[in-house]
Amino acid sequence: KAGVTQTPRYLIKTRGQQVTLSCSPISGHRSVSWYQQTPGQGLQFLFEYFSETQRNKGNFPGRFSGRQFSNSRSEMNVSTLELGDSALYLCASSPGPGQGNTEAFFGQGTRLTVV
Amino acid sequence: GENVEQHPSTLSVQEGDSAVIKCTYSDSASNYFPWYKQELGKGPQLIIDIRSNVGEKKDQRIAVTLNKTAKHFSLHITETQPEDSAVYFCAPRPYNFNKFYFGSGTKLNVKP
Repeated sequence: KAGVTQTPRYLIKTRGQQVTLSCSPISGHRSVSWYQQTPGQGLQFLFEYFSETQRNKGNFPGRFSGRQFSNSRSEMNVSTLELGDSALYLCASSPGPGQGNTEAFFGQGTRLTVV
Repeated sequence: GENVEQHPSTLSVQEGDSAVIKCTYSDSASNYFPWYKQELGKGPQLIIDIRSNVGEKKDQRIAVTLNKTAKHFSLHITETQPEDSAVYFCAPRPYNFNKFYFGSGTKLNVKP
């Protein structure tokens, strides 16, 4: 069974640009959540999607957005990039509510560097 | 939201010794208590978890104990090995609620 796949693994962008990151969950999983990891702030929750709907949202500005497709793949977008957006972005895959086991499995992450 | 505190922030032990990491939380609705291990360049990996109806769970050299009254749970690693060196995170939450509040992490260094 394939794990959680995040693409790309590494990305370098310039301030002011926008970026789109992709996450393919484990087959059969319908919930995808996103996290930002930085040395100073640790792991912070961005948002969670289930069945193409955003269920939960963290405390990030509107520049951070996401979506989920009918095949459960998810993308997150960051517009007007700032230097402080440099981080490891992780997505986690889980079956979803009412699906029994709710263990979450993480991808390797996308390392975003804003210059 | 959940307020999660994890201690210590760094832990250095000799190979073969035991290591204990503690996590305290504030949300009484939390009933699922996982521990994750993150190695350099990788995403967090679930290593053990416990539900609130259980006080202790063991899996080979790793165990988790829960004190729901005091709102804390701990990760115990016995007979530590160099490959246990990593950053460990706790992430208590209500079961079936996929919004994680992670602890700040504990960097474990196992010296050979």
